[in-house]
Amino acid sequence: NAGVTQTPKFQVLKTGQSMTLQCAQDMNHNSMYWYRQDPGMGLRLIYYSASEGTTDKGEVPNGYNVSRLNKREFSLRLESAAPSQTSVYFCASSEKLTSTEAFFGQGTRLTVV
Amino acid sequence: RKEVEQDPGPFNVPEGATVAFNCTYSNSASQSFFWYRQDCRKEPKLLMSVYSSGNEDGRFTAQLNRASQYISLLIRDSKLSDSATYLCVVSHSGGGADGLTFGKGTHLIIQP
Repeated sequence: NAGVTQTPKFQVLKTGQSMTLQCAQDMNHNSMYWYRQDPGMGLRLIYYSASEGTTDKGEVPNGYNVSRLNKREFSLRLESAAPSQTSVYFCASSEKLTSTEAFFGQGTRLTVV
Repeated sequence: RKEVEQDPGPFNVPEGATVAFNCTYSNSASQSFFWYRQDCRKEPKLLMSVYSSGNEDGRFTAQLNRASQYISLLIRDSKLSDSATYLCVVSHSGGGADGLTFGKGTHLIIQP
């Protein structure tokens, strides 16, 4: 079982470039999430999707967009990357929005220069 | 005030010792509570859920105190492999960012 798969694992961007982080889960989960993790800041929610067809902003949505392509896939787009977006990004999924375990992808280490 | 607060540590503990950490949460409507473990440069993984009556899984014991709004994790007979960051996680719904709220983590180092 693959669980949650994120691509790419590593990426270096120049300021102003765009990119899309891909995430797919094979557990038939309804809810999916994008987090960023920075030293000393912990995991912060960027966007989430409670179910297929819905997306909502989390704690730090500025500079990002998301698409819940179908039940399996939830992508995160940086339209114009900035150095402040250098971080480790984690995609996660859970059976429902609350009260259930979240499963995480292996993370994407993004550096914006 | 942060929603979920933890002592970042590091806690340096000799192998075989017992170690405990607490976590406080601010939202009294929080519904579910978890401890996750994160190894260096890896993704977080669920360690255990925390139930109102307290629960134990081998060397690990988790407890919830709703009145004081804190949860705790106790590790007995600590092993070198217990070295990791332990994340306190709270779940609630409604009013903004739903789903899971993570503490910043407590870094544990087990020393031989």
